[in-house]
Amino acid sequence: EAGVAQSPRYKIIEKRQSVAFWCNPISGHATLYWYQQILGQGPKLLIQFQNNGVVDDSQLPKDRFSAERLKGVDSTLKIQPAKLEDSAVYLCASSLDWEDTQYFGPGTRLTVL
Amino acid sequence: SQQGEEDPQALSIQEGENATMNCSYKTSINNLQWYRQNSGRGLVHLILIRSNEREKHSGRLRVTLDTSKKSSSLLITASRAADTASYFCATDAGSNYQLIWGAGTKLIIKP
Repeated sequence: EAGVAQSPRYKIIEKRQSVAFWCNPISGHATLYWYQQILGQGPKLLIQFQNNGVVDDSQLPKDRFSAERLKGVDSTLKIQPAKLEDSAVYLCASSLDWEDTQYFGPGTRLTVL
Repeated sequence: SQQGEEDPQALSIQEGENATMNCSYKTSINNLQWYRQNSGRGLVHLILIRSNEREKHSGRLRVTLDTSKKSSSLLITASRAADTASYFCATDAGSNYQLIWGAGTKLIIKP
């Protein structure tokens, strides 16, 4: 069974630029999550999708971050414009349903200069 | 906000020894999970223990849960170099089973 795929693996941008991350969850998984993990900390949930609907985006900085999961499969997370404090690893995870084990992708390491 | 706090922050032991990590949390939970993260394989789910369970085993892993003390421990027996990683506990205190994570314990196994 293929795991959660993410791209790119690494991204370096200047502050105020925009960036987008892509995630392909495990086939058949209804729930998709985006997390931000700052160095030395645990992951922080940014947004949770159930199929193509948003369950929770309370910790998503909506003035600069946006995410979509249009067909209930792939998802993209965008930051526009980026700030220095956005430097982190962005993790995508999926689960069969919202109460099941979450499986994580390898993450995208973002560096904002 | 972080729900769980792992203790210790870092642990260094000799290969073959046992490693014990602790996690404390603040609010009532449905279940508690332990994950491992290393640079090679990312975040990997290790074990889930439900609030009505007290102990669970999986291979060389043993997890205990004390809901009265709001704490859990992860024991790795007969440690190996490949166990070198950061270990996180995550609790799902919310109604949507969202996970809230601690800052992790960094485990180093010395050959």
